[in-house]
Amino acid sequence: DQQVKQNSPSLSVQEGRISILNCDYTNSMFDYFLWYKKYPAEGPTFLISISSIKDKNEDGRFTVFLNKSAKHLSLHIVPSQPGDSAVYFCAASINSGYALNFGKGTSLLVTP
Amino acid sequence: DTAVSQTPKYLVTQMGNDKSIKCEQNLGHDTMYWYKQDSKKFLKIMFSYNNKELIINETVPNRFSPKSPDKAHLNLHINSLELGDSAVYFCASSQDAASGRVEQFFGPGTRLTVL
Repeated sequence: DQQVKQNSPSLSVQEGRISILNCDYTNSMFDYFLWYKKYPAEGPTFLISISSIKDKNEDGRFTVFLNKSAKHLSLHIVPSQPGDSAVYFCAASINSGYALNFGKGTSLLVTP
Repeated sequence: DTAVSQTPKYLVTQMGNDKSIKCEQNLGHDTMYWYKQDSKKFLKIMFSYNNKELIINETVPNRFSPKSPDKAHLNLHINSLELGDSAVYFCASSQDAASGRVEQFFGPGTRLTVL
């Protein structure tokens, strides 16, 4: 049973605009949420995380928002750049040092 | 410097063979993991080791056996390979739970193809 869901398999955005990637989860025990970026033939690269006690975390062009009551989080990339084109995975964990539960990923294409 | 490395990157083999995938991390982490990404691109945990001890063993066939000779290495041995084992296998590592750091660092993956 998939506990982390990314319902949009793909997203296309123009360079300079905002990219918004969405993620939903079902397990209320999750305490940490992460976003990973993945290029073809490479491993996932950690981008940003947020704990359940916060509703926002920002790192440069990347901001993650968490809505616990809706069991929903989103990743905002502003401004989007062509180098951001990759597959983005949402992941969740019960605690640090525990397995990550991944969504199926959203393929982002940023066009010039 | 490569943080998490895996060998080989590609592995093509026949059904019924036994093969191993090696993983090494130079980050000083205490916890290591194996994930499997299947044909539907779904990344799923297989095993987790903390200080050479198994702490997670998801529903994985007994043909898969992880081996951790030391904290920096977690190898995956697969016996009697089947067609359904074809996938990309990712090794990862993280600091332990006491650190409060949740992010895991992934290797480049090993694409296993069983013919």
